[in-house]
Amino acid sequence: EVQLLESGGGWVQPGGSLRLSCAASGFTFSAYAMNWVRQAPGKGLEWVSALGGSGDNRHYTDSVKGRFIISRDNSKNTLSLQMNNLRAEDTAVYYCARDIVLIPAAGGTWLDHWGQGVLVTVSS
Amino acid sequence: DIQMTQSPSSLSASVGDRVTITCRASQSVSDYLNWYLQRPGQAPTLLVYTASSVQSGVPSRFSGSGSGTDFTLTISSLHPEDFATYYCQQTYTFPSTFGPGTKVEI
Repeated sequence: EVQLLESGGGWVQPGGSLRLSCAASGFTFSAYAMNWVRQAPGKGLEWVSALGGSGDNRHYTDSVKGRFIISRDNSKNTLSLQMNNLRAEDTAVYYCARDIVLIPAAGGTWLDHWGQGVLVTVSS
Repeated sequence: DIQMTQSPSSLSASVGDRVTITCRASQSVSDYLNWYLQRPGQAPTLLVYTASSVQSGVPSRFSGSGSGTDFTLTISSLHPEDFATYYCQQTYTFPSTFGPGTKVEI
């Protein structure tokens, strides 16, 4: 059974940093691209970032470029999101989600498994 | 970025009703359009991918159609567990973008 478990969320002041992790199990982690998707309180879904199965091929939404870094450790089946210079508008539940392809690319791809999410609150 | 819109933003329905939700893209996304369901307090789950392919394990009452800019998700007969919010997502180009959601209420 595919399982994704996020951790590392919490409260941080504006300008601060936080590192999210997603522990994966039940599948060959290195064979799949992984994504982060977030959801601000009471709002819709926003795709944040994607990373290829080999740890290359990174993509980010414009609002987090230069501030967030996605990475993975295939030896530990773990996906990470290093979030720096956090802003109030980054407050959200962050979900990790498995892609159906190895290399993230525009085209026929979808997110077939999602974690339960972790809350990040950026506030003074 | 490709903008996604959904209509209606919310709807009231009853168990057994047929429900249709529309998703429109600001430019053609071919058939690279997915649908997700999200129940309150839970993570999204995949319903339909590439516009019309129903994900394994999803009940047959769910179906999707469309291509280009206009898409629909149809629930042929609402079950109690279907009262939730539905999102469309385009993966035609980066960044992938989601619609604002359609909340199906009793």
